[in-house]
Amino acid sequence: QQQVKQSPQSLIVQKGGISIINCAYENTAFDYFPWYQQFPGKGPALLIAIRPDVSEKKEGRFTISFNKSAKQFSLHIMDSQPGDSATYFCAASFDTTGGSNYKLTFGKGTLLTVNP
Amino acid sequence: EAGVAQSPRYKIIEKRQSVAFWCNPISGHATLYWYQQILGQGPKLLIQFQNNGVVDDSQLPKDRFSAERLKGVDSTLKIQPAKLEDSAVYLCASRGQGQTQYFGPGTRLLVL
Repeated sequence: QQQVKQSPQSLIVQKGGISIINCAYENTAFDYFPWYQQFPGKGPALLIAIRPDVSEKKEGRFTISFNKSAKQFSLHIMDSQPGDSATYFCAASFDTTGGSNYKLTFGKGTLLTVNP
Repeated sequence: EAGVAQSPRYKIIEKRQSVAFWCNPISGHATLYWYQQILGQGPKLLIQFQNNGVVDDSQLPKDRFSAERLKGVDSTLKIQPAKLEDSAVYLCASRGQGQTQYFGPGTRLLVL
């Protein structure tokens, strides 16, 4: 059972445009929602993360919007640049045993291409 | 601060052979994870260690996969015997006090 659904699978944006990637989750126990960026041949790297007690978090050109009632969250990349071309994964995490045993569940990823 | 180190970076083997991957986490990180990332998919957790104890190995195919973290630092993941469907990138991640997991560059395995 896929617990985090991510869309779209791929996205092409022009330089300077806005990239939007959406995720939906099912398990209401999730309490930490990170986005990871992965370049070819590299491991995923944390981009930005949010907790469900806030509705939005912004870091530079990257913003997470969070809708707890809809169980959805999204990543917005403003002024998209060719260097942003990568695969983006949303994820969700919670402590499975009450002892800081955090377990990440990933979406399937979105391949973002930003054309110059 | 040095990141998560993994080796080898690439490995090509025949089916039914065995292979081992090595991971050195960020210094001081008690929690270590092994993930399998099949092409076009997100990472899937195989096993989680807290120091040298296993916390979660529910998704580890135990008939062929094994992992250990004997001294609570480095870890090895072994596949024996390998199947074609094991072709994937094997990622190691570590975590300190917070919830953030830091990933290594991965080992790309091709089983022929």
